[in-house]
Amino acid sequence: DTEVTQTPKHLVMGMTNKKSLKCEQHMGHRAMYWYKQKAKKPPELMFVYSYEKLSINESVPSRFSPECPNSSLLNLHLHALQPEDSALYLCASSQLPGQGYGYTFGSGTRLTVV
Amino acid sequence: AQSVAQPEDQVNVAEGNPLTVKCTYSVSGNPYLFWYVQYPNRGLQFLLKYITGDNLVKGSYGFEAEFNKSQTSFHLKKPSALVSDSALYFCAVRGNQGGKLIFGQGTELSVKP
Repeated sequence: DTEVTQTPKHLVMGMTNKKSLKCEQHMGHRAMYWYKQKAKKPPELMFVYSYEKLSINESVPSRFSPECPNSSLLNLHLHALQPEDSALYLCASSQLPGQGYGYTFGSGTRLTVV
Repeated sequence: AQSVAQPEDQVNVAEGNPLTVKCTYSVSGNPYLFWYVQYPNRGLQFLLKYITGDNLVKGSYGFEAEFNKSQTSFHLKKPSALVSDSALYFCAVRGNQGGKLIFGQGTELSVKP
């Protein structure tokens, strides 16, 4: 298995809703990442998990809450989002954090906040 | 500080012609360099990387890139473009002394028949 699987592919939520994005990989990668991407812009790093521990939080608002239950799974919990949070949310993983390891990206969750 | 620049927002090429997508970088120490491609409504797909060794790196789908240390460049090339190569291309860099993976602003490649 050489993929990063993200669910759901599309999500529409109201500003008062609570929802979660899920990311899964079975490549034995020990670093996992959440990115936010606006149309035709580069991905913006949100969070990095290294060996299941949060190692980087890029000053992301608390309405985004990451969770790494085990080495294969990464969640992003969403609560009280704003319309400007609408974007493509990408999960990625790499063999180890840092160094020359490439990232494997999932196909993303297209989030629309109404 | 690490940075990467893709000087062209858009590159237009006729099918069958060679293509080049430019990337220059600035990092502390030796660079780890990557190219990714993104098709509409999809995630980023890894094309190739330079870590060390031969300056000419071959990757997926017939793409290659040349690492030029003196010019701090890592341009993506393909000898003969296909219409299906039309997509958004991102160059990314990380220094070997650590730090985050930094993406360029992206270059939209359009290949016309």
